[in-house]
Amino acid sequence: NAGVTQTPKFRILKIGQSMTLQCTQDMNHNYMYWYRQDPGMGLKLIYYSVGAGITDKGEVPNGYNVSRSTTEDFPLRLELAAPSQTSVYFCATRGSGNTIYFGEGSWLTVV
Amino acid sequence: DAKTTQPPSMDCAEGRAANLPCNHSTISGNEYVYWYRQIHSQGPQYIIHGLKNNETNEMASLIITEDRKSSTLILPHATLRDTAVYYCIVSGGGGGGNKLTFGTGTQLKVEL
Repeated sequence: NAGVTQTPKFRILKIGQSMTLQCTQDMNHNYMYWYRQDPGMGLKLIYYSVGAGITDKGEVPNGYNVSRSTTEDFPLRLELAAPSQTSVYFCATRGSGNTIYFGEGSWLTVV
Repeated sequence: DAKTTQPPSMDCAEGRAANLPCNHSTISGNEYVYWYRQIHSQGPQYIIHGLKNNETNEMASLIITEDRKSSTLILPHATLRDTAVYYCIVSGGGGGGNKLTFGTGTQLKVEL
């Protein structure tokens, strides 16, 4: 997980609040991804980016927004948090090779 | 939807080889087979990947059938620390951001 930093690690939100999950990488990778993982389930792709200024939707984008103004940063924005967004969120990156590197995760609870 | 099929769980005795199967009958010519594992709720960890040849690294071996419709991940001497959920994933070598689509994986339990 070295090189991919996610903050915060834990957060409790009230319904309707907004927040941003931060993801920063120092590997100069072009590709970055946001996944969410619900209990007992596999990871589902929310959004991804193939480079600065370019983002695209994954499987479950509703309720989220992203931006990619720099190569290093790929923040995930939750607007109007809902209980269904209670999950673990993972940021990941990929460089010129085929390996994808994951961060340590951000645990979000919406109450 | 995930394009792979894995058994939901497997057990293995410590020190023995763990052989984890995966079916990917709809794999296309430019798609790679990746294996990742997730220990507790940590971020998934890369293990190995391959296109059509068998691959080996310090963690594991990957055996891909000649028709590429299935593969097996081999942990040659499983330890208790290998207890994890193992994900088999197929993904393109280019275009579309090389997204990884995760299924529910195989829960491997290594026991004494």
